[in-house]
Amino acid sequence: AQSVTQLGSHVSVSEGALVLLRCNYSSSVPPYLFWYVQYPNQGLQLLLKYTSAATLVKGINGFEAEFKKSETSFHLTKPSAHMSDAAEYFCAVSPPNDYKLSFGAGTTVTVRA
Amino acid sequence: SAVISQKPSRDICQRGTSLTIQCQVDSQVTMMFWYRQQPGQSLTLIATANQGSEATYESGFVIDKFPISRPNLTFSTLTVSNMSPEDSSIYLCSVEGVTAGGYEQYFGPGTRLTVT
Repeated sequence: AQSVTQLGSHVSVSEGALVLLRCNYSSSVPPYLFWYVQYPNQGLQLLLKYTSAATLVKGINGFEAEFKKSETSFHLTKPSAHMSDAAEYFCAVSPPNDYKLSFGAGTTVTVRA
Repeated sequence: SAVISQKPSRDICQRGTSLTIQCQVDSQVTMMFWYRQQPGQSLTLIATANQGSEATYESGFVIDKFPISRPNLTFSTLTVSNMSPEDSSIYLCSVEGVTAGGYEQYFGPGTRLTVT
């Protein structure tokens, strides 16, 4: 079975500051891990994914995440926040090449000018 | 990546009625998925729809309440039957995709349903 825990339901950052969203996973098999972003009144867009290749994954819009097996973590970061980063972010886990995504509860990011 | 559209984008319905949500994808896909996102919550998988076979429902979801059709490889519908206010949610469809980087899912824009 797989599950994810996102620490912090809401994160507020200043424009230009570091964005750090935390995700810890539990999986009985080597997992695939994903970060999705949901802008207001829109569907989910894939930011990046880890599928057992490089542990540091770079995604769209300047985001990256690092898979740390020893910490069972897949935290999402962006060095400098933009106002357009205000959205809800979901971490998800699945078994390798399996459609069964398990989503975290989500983290809402607000960006202060 | 696949381009997915959903109709309607939003609706307000009276309790006891039913609403059918359509999902159209711009390429042929084997598996389509339906998710529910209740207010302020994460996504929960309702069912998996394969063309030519009955949908597979997750625990807590039943066919009588959420009948699904999958008539071809680019289209699916989800019906929310005998609605109650607890069915107020965003309903999203998704499709699988396989890229050089491995498996991923693409999501539609969602249907925002309010039941009064």
